[in-house]
Amino acid sequence: GAVVSQHPSWVICKSGTSVKIECRSLDFQATTMFWYRQFPKQSLMLMATSNEGSKATYEQGVEKDKFLINHASLTLSTLTVTSAHPEDSSFYICSASGGGGEQFFGPGTRLTVL
Amino acid sequence: GQSLEQPSEVTAVEGAIVQINCTYQTSGFYGLSWYQQHDGGAPTFLSYNALDGLEETGRFSSFLSRSDSYGYLLLQELQMKDSASYFCAVRDSTGGFKTIFGAGTRLFVKA
Repeated sequence: GAVVSQHPSWVICKSGTSVKIECRSLDFQATTMFWYRQFPKQSLMLMATSNEGSKATYEQGVEKDKFLINHASLTLSTLTVTSAHPEDSSFYICSASGGGGEQFFGPGTRLTVL
Repeated sequence: GQSLEQPSEVTAVEGAIVQINCTYQTSGFYGLSWYQQHDGGAPTFLSYNALDGLEETGRFSSFLSRSDSYGYLLLQELQMKDSASYFCAVRDSTGGFKTIFGAGTRLFVKA
């Protein structure tokens, strides 16, 4: 099956700093990528949908100025958490679709903000 | 919008069969997926139903009834390693086939 990678797998940062998370589709071209956030013992919440070359579509309640998403190529999308605070600590997971409706999930990035 | 309902917790013994139900509401239903997630890990794909009926993959089977907006995941011959969270997820055709997850069912398998 298709492979999606995320980097880093975990990151610890100080409050107020920005963190960039990369999501890559390794063996297919992803026309659409999705970003999810999961707090402990909760479900995955869709944050935004990004299409290559266009602006991301954010779900209600997600601050687009805080969670910057860039989908500059068909194999790479980035999520930047700007001015991170402890409440942003979470598990961030991306998924990618080649346009056929199938979604492939990355392994996730665990963010801890001190 | 979309909403999914599934039980929060299920407990069963090794070797037993367990069924996890899921009901959903969505405007652009395209299919129902099931994912397994162990503590600390990412969700892994189990099955997908776009049409009514039963799909079988080894010990796991998934069922869908589009007219009832209902599906279930059936796990047979339970093993201790099946203890995990199981999420049903609706693939919605609006906005680029995004997948919306249910709250998850925590399965505890006892010896």
